Amino acid sequence: LAKTTQPISMDSYEGQEVNITCSHNNIATNDYITWYQQFPSQGPRFIIQGYKTKVTNEVASLFIPADRKSSTLSLPRVSLSDTAVYYCLVGGNTGGFKTIFGAGTRLFVKA
Amino acid sequence: NAGVTQTPKFQVLKTGQSMTLQCAQDMNHEYMSWYRQDPGMGLRLIHYSVGAGITDQGEVPNGYNVSRSTTEDFPLRLLSAAPSQTSVYFCASSLSGEVGVNGYTFGSGTRLTVV
Repeated sequence: LAKTTQPISMDSYEGQEVNITCSHNNIATNDYITWYQQFPSQGPRFIIQGYKTKVTNEVASLFIPADRKSSTLSLPRVSLSDTAVYYCLVGGNTGGFKTIFGAGTRLFVKA
Repeated sequence: NAGVTQTPKFQVLKTGQSMTLQCAQDMNHEYMSWYRQDPGMGLRLIHYSVGAGITDQGEVPNGYNVSRSTTEDFPLRLLSAAPSQTSVYFCASSLSGEVGVNGYTFGSGTRLTVV
C-alpha cells in the first residue's frame, strides 16, 4: 500500500467547513483513496472512497487532483459530533491485504 | 443483520494467562482481520484471513494465534498474556479485503487489560 501523510490534529468550530489533506506521493495507477472515521471507543467506519476528481455523499466530499498525489476530505458545516479521528488509506483492487491505518488526523470540533 | 460481533467487550487477564477473543460476522465476508489500538495510536494489523482455512500475519503478530475454520468466525488467541498486550482489539471484515474495492466493517472492540 502507498504510504500516506496526514496532519496529526486539527481544530475547528461548529458550523465551519473542515478540509483534511492526505499526501500519497507514490500512489499506484490502480490505487483508490478511502477515508475512515473513528469515534472514541468505537471501531472505524467507512465514509468515502474515490479514484479521481470529486466524490460526494451524504457525509463528506473527497477531492482528488489530476496527479492523485494528494486528496482532501471535506466535511461541510461540522458539528460537535464530528469530533473523531479520520484515517486516509490508499490501496488497490488486486491483492494487498495488509491494510495499514496509520495514526490518522484527530479533529476537535469546538462549540 | 448484526454485522461484526466481538466478545467479550471487556476483559482483565493476569500475566501468563491465555484467552480467546471472539469475532463473528454474518455478512458472508471472505476477508477478516484483527487490529490492536493502543491509547492515542492508530490501528496495527495483527493477523488477517482471506477465506476459511487461510490466514497470514500482519504488522504485529507475535504473541497471537488465529485460525479460520468457518467463513463466519475468526478468533484471536493470546497464548501467554503480557502487559504489553493491554490494548483495544478490533475485528474487521470485508467482501474481498482489498482496500481499494470494499469498505471494511469493524466490530465495537474488546478492551483488554493485562495485569
